[in-house]
Amino acid sequence: GESVGLHLPTLSVQEGDNSIINCAYSNSASDYFIWYKQESGKGPQFIIDIRSNMDKRQGQRVTVLLNKTVKHLSLQIAATQPGDSAVYFCAENGQGNTPLVFGKGTRLSVIA
Amino acid sequence: DAGVIQSPRHEVTEMGQEVTLRCKPISGHNSLFWYRQTMMRGLELLIYFNNNVPIDDSGMPEDRFSAKMPNASFSTLKIQPSEPRDSAVYFCASSSSPGQEGYTFGSGTRLTVV
Repeated sequence: GESVGLHLPTLSVQEGDNSIINCAYSNSASDYFIWYKQESGKGPQFIIDIRSNMDKRQGQRVTVLLNKTVKHLSLQIAATQPGDSAVYFCAENGQGNTPLVFGKGTRLSVIA
Repeated sequence: DAGVIQSPRHEVTEMGQEVTLRCKPISGHNSLFWYRQTMMRGLELLIYFNNNVPIDDSGMPEDRFSAKMPNASFSTLKIQPSEPRDSAVYFCASSSSPGQEGYTFGSGTRLTVV
């Protein structure tokens, strides 16, 4: 079946550097994508979303890029801070108004 | 708003016992989701409700699992009888739409079945 996947299971970055977390999706019908952050012992927390009619969306220190041609989603975090250390999940809606399907997650470790 | 509220935060029970997890969604959200998270399988959707009606329960692992939503402000996930392999973190989430808006997750219930 179609699913959301991640290229890198772990990512270590120096404090102050930019982080890029990647996600590949295979369902071309997906039209809504979200990035979540999950800190240890907590539930996933919404970071940013993007719809398929856009290819870029910016938030505070975060940018999501969507490349529908190659079915690729990325999350860029500027000036990574220790508080950004967490597991990051991408999610897609599969098709229309169906529940979100989550990827396996990427662990981001920030080195002080 | 206090967000999605789950109880208990931790539950340790013996194999064979009944376990009931509780969730209060965000007021005004008409979609509610139960997820299970394990290291091996990640976040798995168990069941979701729309306007208190179960829409898709294909993710419920076995008949031992059941979920109810008697009203818009309360849902339960019950496991009877519980087994060690049910040990996981169970999350409840709510949203104003199943697939076109983001979900707000609760803090989860960490279940340990011994």
